[in-house]
Amino acid sequence: EDQVTQSPEALRLQEGESSSLNCSYTVSGLRGLFWYRQDPGKGPEFLFTLYSAGEEKEKERLKATLTKKESFLHITAPKPEDSATYLCAVTTGGGNKLTFGTGTQLKVEL
Amino acid sequence: DGGITQSPKYLFRKEGQNVTLSCEQNLNHDAMYWYRQDPGQGLRLIYYSQIVNDFQKGDIAEGYSVSREKKESFPLTVTSAQKNPTAFYLCASSRPGQDTEAFFGQGTRLTVV
Repeated sequence: EDQVTQSPEALRLQEGESSSLNCSYTVSGLRGLFWYRQDPGKGPEFLFTLYSAGEEKEKERLKATLTKKESFLHITAPKPEDSATYLCAVTTGGGNKLTFGTGTQLKVEL
Repeated sequence: DGGITQSPKYLFRKEGQNVTLSCEQNLNHDAMYWYRQDPGQGLRLIYYSQIVNDFQKGDIAEGYSVSREKKESFPLTVTSAQKNPTAFYLCASSRPGQDTEAFFGQGTRLTVV
C-alpha cells in the first residue's frame, strides 16, 4: 500500500526564518510528486510537480526537491502570508489518482 | 476565468437524507475526482472519472454515488448509507495525460444534524 508521510505536523517560524518541510513516501513506482498549499476552508492550490530524483522547482520563496525516498519543500525568508497547510501527494500506477499525506501546518509570525 | 465551481459552500443534512453536491468545471478537463477531507487525515479519494459516462470507485466509495453525463459536470450524492458523512468535500479535475496536476474547487462542507 502506498504511503505518504509529512513532517513536522506543525511548524512555527519567525518572519525571515528559513526552514524545510519533509514528505517521505513508500510507493510501488513513483510517477509524480505534487505539492499543494491549502488555506483554511479552501481547496488546495497547486504549487509544484516533480517527476524524477534530482529534480528541483522554484516559485518565489518556495523550492521543491525530490530524492528517491523523499521530497523537501524549502521556504526561504518566509512571510506571514506563507502561513498555510502544505500538502504532499503522489501518483503511482495508471491514472492521476493522488495519494495524500496529512500535511504540515505552517505559521509564520512577525 | 477558467476553474472549478463547487456548490453549495455549506450544506446541512438531516440523518437519513440523501444530498447531492455539485461540481462544474470549464477547464475542458477530461478527468474529474471527488475527495473527502477530515481533520488529521489526508485527502481520500471517493470516486473518479476519466471520461464521460464512465467512473470508478476510489478508496472510500461506500455510501456515495456519482454520475458523469457531461464533461463539465461530476455531481456527488451522499446517501443515507454513508455512516459518517460530516466532512469537507473537494472536487478536482485534470487534463489528459499521465501524472498531470489536479486543480481543486473551493470545497463543500457537509454537516449532518
